[in-house]
Amino acid sequence: SAVISQKPSRDICQRGTSLTIQCQVDSQVTMMFWYRQQPGQSLTLIATANQGSEATYESGFVIDKFPISRPNLTFSTLTVSNMSPEDSSIYLCSVFSGRVSGANVLTFGAGSRLTVL
Amino acid sequence: SQKIEQNSEALNIQEGKTATLTCNYTNYSPAYLQWYRQDPGRGPVFLLLIRENEKEKRKERLKVTFDTTLKQSLFHITASQPADSATYLCATRGAGNMLTFGGGTRLMVKP
Repeated sequence: SAVISQKPSRDICQRGTSLTIQCQVDSQVTMMFWYRQQPGQSLTLIATANQGSEATYESGFVIDKFPISRPNLTFSTLTVSNMSPEDSSIYLCSVFSGRVSGANVLTFGAGSRLTVL
Repeated sequence: SQKIEQNSEALNIQEGKTATLTCNYTNYSPAYLQWYRQDPGRGPVFLLLIRENEKEKRKERLKVTFDTTLKQSLFHITASQPADSATYLCATRGAGNMLTFGGGTRLMVKP
């Protein structure tokens, strides 16, 4: 299955600043997914990044707050803009890594843990 | 939309015992349920998938069941080991054919 590298692994940020998270996959993939995992919470899909088109955002997430780039088939970035303490979370990049019994399964990066002060 | 519910309380068991984790879904019977393991500081890792028409699926010490009457999947780890300590997540296809995850259950296996 695919190997995903995320940077940074963790960061402490000041309120009002922005941070860009990078996701590199070791193989070409059509779709890359960005999830958020708030403390003690489930994974929530932020958006799907497609190469050559605008990202598709889930309900409750907007491009101005979470701009995404997808310059090629192996790389994507997620920016968390104008951060507030509520943005303190783990942000995870993932891709479809194959099919099991006809269903897509996901491979995840290690995540980027952001703390906003 | 489909909602996945897992016991948010940690499950503490003794090494060698069987751990049983529960995943409940609230709406329509999903075509499949997936189970993932997540260790601290790591992303989730896929373990097993069970389809709606399968009652049971096994992989080494892992066993997953699917009960459409109870709207529930059970995840069993037999002969549990301290290395099995992790958070286990249940997931299924949600809106837009994307995976929707439960909140996960933390398992602690004590030596």
